[in-house]
Amino acid sequence: ETGVTQSPTHLIKTRGQQVTLRCSSQSGHNTVSWYQQALGQGPQFIFQYYREEENGRGNFPPRFSGLQFPNYSSELNVNALELDDSALYLCASSNGLAGNTDTQYFGPGTRLTVL
Amino acid sequence: DQQVKQNSPSLSVQEGRISILNCDYTNSMFDYFLWYKKYPAEGPTFLISISSIKDKNEDGRFTVFLNKSAKHLSLHIVPSQPGDSAVYFCAASDSTSGTYKYIFGTGTRLKVLA
Repeated sequence: ETGVTQSPTHLIKTRGQQVTLRCSSQSGHNTVSWYQQALGQGPQFIFQYYREEENGRGNFPPRFSGLQFPNYSSELNVNALELDDSALYLCASSNGLAGNTDTQYFGPGTRLTVL
Repeated sequence: DQQVKQNSPSLSVQEGRISILNCDYTNSMFDYFLWYKKYPAEGPTFLISISSIKDKNEDGRFTVFLNKSAKHLSLHIVPSQPGDSAVYFCAASDSTSGTYKYIFGTGTRLKVLA
């Protein structure tokens, strides 16, 4: 059973650019959640996808968008990058069957630096 | 408004002793709670969870206690080992929100001294 994988590991962009981060969910999981973790903070919920549909969104602007594919892998896109977008971006997958008591399993994250 | 709080940024414990990590929450609608451990350059690793219908859950050296009236949960690690040194996050979710998002605390850095 493979765990959650994310790519790339690190990324450096400049202000105003666009970025796409990728996540492959754990085998058997159909739900993907994305979180942003700034330095010294806990992860903050960006949005969640369940069977290719958005299933909730946190307090992030529309320039943060996502997608989930039929194989349940997912992308996070951020447009018009700002310096404050520099953070660790975490993807978590779960099996979507137990509802609230689903446990989310995290990938290693993508470290994004915006200059 | 921080709904999940970990008021101790760091904790040092001698190997073999008990580590107690604390977490407070403000939202009474939270009904599922988890603890994650995070090493540098890795994603959070799930440790243990508890539903609001319980007040205790054990898994090996790890026990989570939930006090709903005080809106407080704690993670006990007994005995503590040097490999337990990491940042620990508590997280909570509200099943009535329709979205199974987790709200995380800011973490407690545990250092287990050999």
